[in-house]
Amino acid sequence: SQKIEQNSEALNIQEGKTATLTCNYTNYSPAYLQWYRQDPGRGPVFLLLIRENEKEKRKERLKVTFDTTLKQSLFHITASQPADSATYLCALDMSDNNDMRFGAGTRLTVKP
Amino acid sequence: EAGVTQFPSHSVIEKGQTVTLRCDPISGHDNLYWYRRVMGKEIKFLLHFVKESKQDESGMPNNRFLAERTGGTYSTLKVQPAELEDSGVYFCASSPSFRGPAYFGPGTRLTVL
Repeated sequence: SQKIEQNSEALNIQEGKTATLTCNYTNYSPAYLQWYRQDPGRGPVFLLLIRENEKEKRKERLKVTFDTTLKQSLFHITASQPADSATYLCALDMSDNNDMRFGAGTRLTVKP
Repeated sequence: EAGVTQFPSHSVIEKGQTVTLRCDPISGHDNLYWYRRVMGKEIKFLLHFVKESKQDESGMPNNRFLAERTGGTYSTLKVQPAELEDSGVYFCASSPSFRGPAYFGPGTRLTVL
C-alpha cells in the first residue's frame, strides 16, 4: 500500500542545534517533493520544493535532500530558533496525478 | 498581494444541515485546490480546478459534496446533507502553475453535531 511517513509526531531540540526531519514514502513515484510549515490555526505555508532529479536544495537556514533510491527526503533547519517551532509537512507531488499527498507532519519544538 | 481567503473561519451545524464553504484564491491563479484534514489524520486532497473546470475530483468522499468555481474565480464547496464524519478543517489552496508551490488559505473549521 502507499504510505508517507514522517519520522515522528514530535521532535524537541535545543536552540542553536540542527533539526532533521524525515519523510519516507513507499509505492509512490513523486515528480516533486515539497515541504510546508504549519502553525496552529493556520494553513500550511510553502517552504521548499525539490524535483526528482535534484539531490539537494537550500534556502537560508533550510536544506532539503531527496533520495529517490531510498525513497526519502530529509529536511534540515540549521541554527534552530524557538520561532522555528511548528508542524512541518512533506508533500509528494505525483507525475501522473493532479493532487499532492501529505504526510501527517512532525511537530518541532525548539527550546531556548 | 492578498493571500487565499476562506469563509467562514468556523462553522457549527447539525447533522443533516447544509453548509457552503467559500474560497477566494490569489488573483490570477488558475489552479485551485480543496483539501481536508480530519482530526488526527493527514491533509487529504479533495479536488482540483483549473480555471472553472474540474481537473480532478477523485478525492471527493461522496456525492454529498459539491464544488463549483463559476467564472474561474472564487470557489464554493457545499456539503449536503452534512454527516458527523464531515467534521474537520477544510483548506483551499491556489497556484499559478500546475506543478509547484501551493498557497493555502487559513482553513474553515467545520463541526457537525
